[in-house]
Amino acid sequence: AQSVAQPEDQVNVAEGNPLTVKCTYSVSGNPYLFWYVQYPNRGLQFLLKYITGDNLVKGSYGFEAEFNKSQTSFHLKKPSALVSDSALYFCAVKGRSNDYKLSFGAGTTVTVRA
Amino acid sequence: DTAVSQTPKYLVTQMGNDKSIKCEQNLGHDTMYWYKQDSKKFLKIMFSYNNKELIINETVPNRFSPKSPDKAHLNLHINSLELGDSAVYFCASSQGEGLLYNEQFFGPGTRLTVL
Repeated sequence: AQSVAQPEDQVNVAEGNPLTVKCTYSVSGNPYLFWYVQYPNRGLQFLLKYITGDNLVKGSYGFEAEFNKSQTSFHLKKPSALVSDSALYFCAVKGRSNDYKLSFGAGTTVTVRA
Repeated sequence: DTAVSQTPKYLVTQMGNDKSIKCEQNLGHDTMYWYKQDSKKFLKIMFSYNNKELIINETVPNRFSPKSPDKAHLNLHINSLELGDSAVYFCASSQGEGLLYNEQFFGPGTRLTVL
């Protein structure tokens, strides 16, 4: 079975400071990893994904994530947070078996204060 | 142009009623999904269709029945609604044919409230 853990329910940072949202995963074999963001009363929006290759993945809105196989982690980062980054962030994993099931973490609420 | 659309956006109904939620995508994708997001924001896959064929069917009460008339549409019908069905239901789509790593595109959600 595959699963994702987001150990922090909430992350609070000041605008301009670095932002990190943590994610660890469990899957058989090599994973496909994703980050999505959900703004209030909206659907999820794709930010970035890791498929293979370079462990540092760059995505939308200045976000990046680093795949660490030994630590089974895929933390989301942004060097300088904006108030508009305040949202709910989901990490998700998919195994490389022939199915389409994407397993999501419980989500981390990010609040960036001005 | 809306990529993944759902109707209705809000649905308030009484226990025991039957209701449907519709989803359409204009992205040309071949795989569509239904997710349930509960009050704690936990997101859980319910169903998935690839080229109108059911490929994911999680442990969901059989009161829930998906129907895919064509690749661009995936509807969700719920019989005998219960209080616990209150949630936000999201439709999503992706291009899945041999490309399991493709991201999913989500609709805006349907907030179902059962009274």
